Amino acid sequence: DGGITQSPKYLFRKEGQNVTLSCEQNLNHDAMYWYRQDPGQGLRLIYYSQIVNDFQKGDIAEGYSVSREKKESFPLTVTSAQKNPTAFYLCASSINLGARYNEQFFGPGTRLTVL
Amino acid sequence: AQTVTQSQPEMSVQEAETVTLSCTYDTSENNYYLFWYKQPPSRQMILVIRQEAYKQQNATENRFSVNFQKAAKSFSLKISDSQLGDTAMYFCALRAGANNLFFGTGTRLTVIP
Repeated sequence: DGGITQSPKYLFRKEGQNVTLSCEQNLNHDAMYWYRQDPGQGLRLIYYSQIVNDFQKGDIAEGYSVSREKKESFPLTVTSAQKNPTAFYLCASSINLGARYNEQFFGPGTRLTVL
Repeated sequence: AQTVTQSQPEMSVQEAETVTLSCTYDTSENNYYLFWYKQPPSRQMILVIRQEAYKQQNATENRFSVNFQKAAKSFSLKISDSQLGDTAMYFCALRAGANNLFFGTGTRLTVIP
């Protein structure tokens, strides 16, 4: 089955610790994205990558880092510099920016809670 | 700059009835795409329907249809014959030019049995 997987589903972190969220896709999509979702707000873009070994900051990149070493994988690290990391994190992928609609397909999300 | 506004934080509808969710947007781009996504309690984001700005015909997908008013920059979603499984958050989203997707704040829809 083609799709996007995120792990873990729930993640707990102590203050001051870095934590990495996993995102894998087998859709052969070039582009991948990370979003943060908070109550009462829409999705906000953290980072995105259009191609392997390249990525750009989104609207709220501070306190986060990413890597794109493989086409299928786009892990997100939430660092201790992120002031309020408790949120729901969604990963998405799309064919590429040149595609007509380039609609994004989403993973099931990871709920991160800082204790 | 792009903006997407969903002015109805919550709505409810009786099962089998019709409901319309509002969305307005703003962009200076001539070519853009509009989307409605559904997020049920499982929190999985699901694409419901999409519309290209150049197309005048309103998109339809089974019970879901849109009313795309380009001059008014309005993109409302109509759900016909509402079902209990339609209970979810609905997000309107805009992709303009080479930019990424920009989301509204969502409308929480409850279908009442």
